[in-house]
Amino acid sequence: GENVEQHPSTLSVQEGDSAVIKCTYSDSASNYFPWYKQELGKRPQLIIDIRSNVGEKKDQRIAVTLNKTAKHFSLHITETQPEDSAVYFCAAFDRGSTLGRLYFGRGTQLTVWP
Amino acid sequence: NAGVTQTPKFQVLKTGQSMTLQCAQDMNHNSMYWYRQDPGMGLRLIYYSASEGTTDKGEVPNGYNVSRLNKREFSLRLESAAPSQTSVYFCASSEFRGSVDTGELFFGEGSRLTVL
Repeated sequence: GENVEQHPSTLSVQEGDSAVIKCTYSDSASNYFPWYKQELGKRPQLIIDIRSNVGEKKDQRIAVTLNKTAKHFSLHITETQPEDSAVYFCAAFDRGSTLGRLYFGRGTQLTVWP
Repeated sequence: NAGVTQTPKFQVLKTGQSMTLQCAQDMNHNSMYWYRQDPGMGLRLIYYSASEGTTDKGEVPNGYNVSRLNKREFSLRLESAAPSQTSVYFCASSEFRGSVDTGELFFGEGSRLTVL
């Protein structure tokens, strides 16, 4: 099955700085890469996703880049704010032989200091 | 719309006891999932149901059973609870699109289970 590795496991930044979280995946057949944000005590929620036919996608202060050749993708958050503090999970959709499945990374705890 | 509702929110069990976590979604999604979340381990898939009438094992199925009761409901059962099953359990649903992608996963609020 797919193996998704996520780094760093913790990240602390000053308000206004940028934050970057990186993920690698193992299966070149994976074709869909979502990012979920989980605030403390809450449920994970989708914040952005990218498909394998696209190299970059932006949504206001967040962006995701994908390098299919190197099999890695990254989440970029600019002008960070305290409300960006949360755990962020990357994931990769492995189409598999019959039914596809989503594999999650282990998460990055982002703390934004005011 | 309530989205994904799971019960109970908290439960304490003794080793060897059984229990069922209930999950229901009102978004008419085809697919439903059960994940467990442990510190530093991310979200690990226990079982999923791509469509009504089907269930498949995920990464960590041992010690669990599931039932897709109908399109709305997907339950997770622990037959003989063990301390290693202490975790936060999330149910999720999505409009699964076969080999394209899962679609957005909508999660329930989570169920915190402690096995003593």
